[in-house]
Parts: sequence; structure tokens; C-alpha cells
Amino acid sequence: GQQVMQIPQYQHVQEGEDFTTYCNSSTTLSNIQWYKQRPGGHPVFLIQLVKSGEVKKQKRLTFQFGEAKKNSSLHITATQTTDVGTYFCAESIYNQGGKLIFGQGTELSVKP
Amino acid sequence: GAGVSQSPRYKVAKRGQDVALRCDPISGHVSLFWYQQALGQGPEFLTYFQNEAQLDKSGLPSDRFFAERPEGSVSTLKIQRTQQEDSAVYLCASSLYTSRNSYEQYFGPGTRLTVT
Repeated sequence: GQQVMQIPQYQHVQEGEDFTTYCNSSTTLSNIQWYKQRPGGHPVFLIQLVKSGEVKKQKRLTFQFGEAKKNSSLHITATQTTDVGTYFCAESIYNQGGKLIFGQGTELSVKP
Repeated sequence: GAGVSQSPRYKVAKRGQDVALRCDPISGHVSLFWYQQALGQGPEFLTYFQNEAQLDKSGLPSDRFFAERPEGSVSTLKIQRTQQEDSAVYLCASSLYTSRNSYEQYFGPGTRLTVT
């Protein structure tokens, strides 16, 4: 079945350092969504990418969708302690109601 | 406005007991999803409703799991004869089924189920 692989599993950074998480698929993705889950919280939607090579920015966050639509990345510039949490990529399966197939997530910790 | 709510937030069940988990989606949201999240893992799809119709239950791990949404709003996930491997956080999400490109899902806080 569909599978989305996400690396790294954990990332520990000093506040102010950059952070990147990567999402890879062996098959072409129709789209990629990114969610953030704070410790003890629930996933919160960040963004959706649909087009090949698409790049979107939200303040310090930059999201990219690969040209072949088989990979995606989330980059955070100058991390802050408020960035702590687990970041998940997920594919929304349009012809199955939009159900989400999640990657395993990258847990980010930020040392002040 | 109000988000997705779930109850109870925490549930401890003895092995073999039945449990019922409730989800109140955002008003007007047509689509409702249940996911299971094990510790340190991403959420895994269980089942999907469009209004009151259960259109996909391919993720339910066994016939001990049953979900319903009889009036197209509130949904209940029932687990019969709970087993230790059922221990997880159960997340409910709803979305406004509009266009092909509008599949943002809004998640509830989840129910943490512990089976002892």
C-alpha cells in the first residue's frame, strides 16, 4: 500500500539553528500535507502542496514539493523554542475521501 | 468557533472490557475520520464517514472495532473485548468536503486508551 517515509526520526537543535525534515515516497504523490503536533497535543494542519516543484513559505517555514512529486521537505530557519513538536507529512488520498497517509514524523527539540 | 471535541480524554479499561469513544466534529463538516496513533508513531487511518455513510473501514484492525455516525454529526468508535495492543491515542478529524483541493483536516484532542 501507500507508504510515506520520513527522516530523521529525531532532531535536537540549539535555538537559532536551522532544521529540515524530509518526506519520501517510492510512488508519485498527488499532494503532500504537513502537520505539526505539539507534545501532548493533536496534529494541526500547516500547509498543502499540490504542484510539481512547488515552494511555499510561512514566516520561518519553507515547504517544498519535489519536481517528480516523490519527495517533500520542511525547513525551519532560526528555530525557536515554540517550534518544538513532531512534524508529520501526509498524503491526502483524494479518491478515498481525503484520508491521510502519514509519515512517521520528525520530533524536533530545541535547546534554549 | 468550536473545534472538534472528543470524550473521554482518557480511558483505562481492563482487558476484555468494551469501550465507546465519542467525537463531535465541527458543525457542518461532512467528512469524519478516525485514526489510531501509537506512541512515537504517525496517526494511522481507521475509518471514514461522509455524512452518515461509512465509506471506508479498511483500516479497522479487527471485527472488534466498530464505528457509527447515525445522524451525520456525532460519531462513536466502539472497541469490544479490548486487548493490550489496542492501547493508543484515538484521534477524530473532520473536514469540509468541498473541492478536490480542500482536504485540510481538523483534529480533536484525542482519547488516550490504556488497556491493563
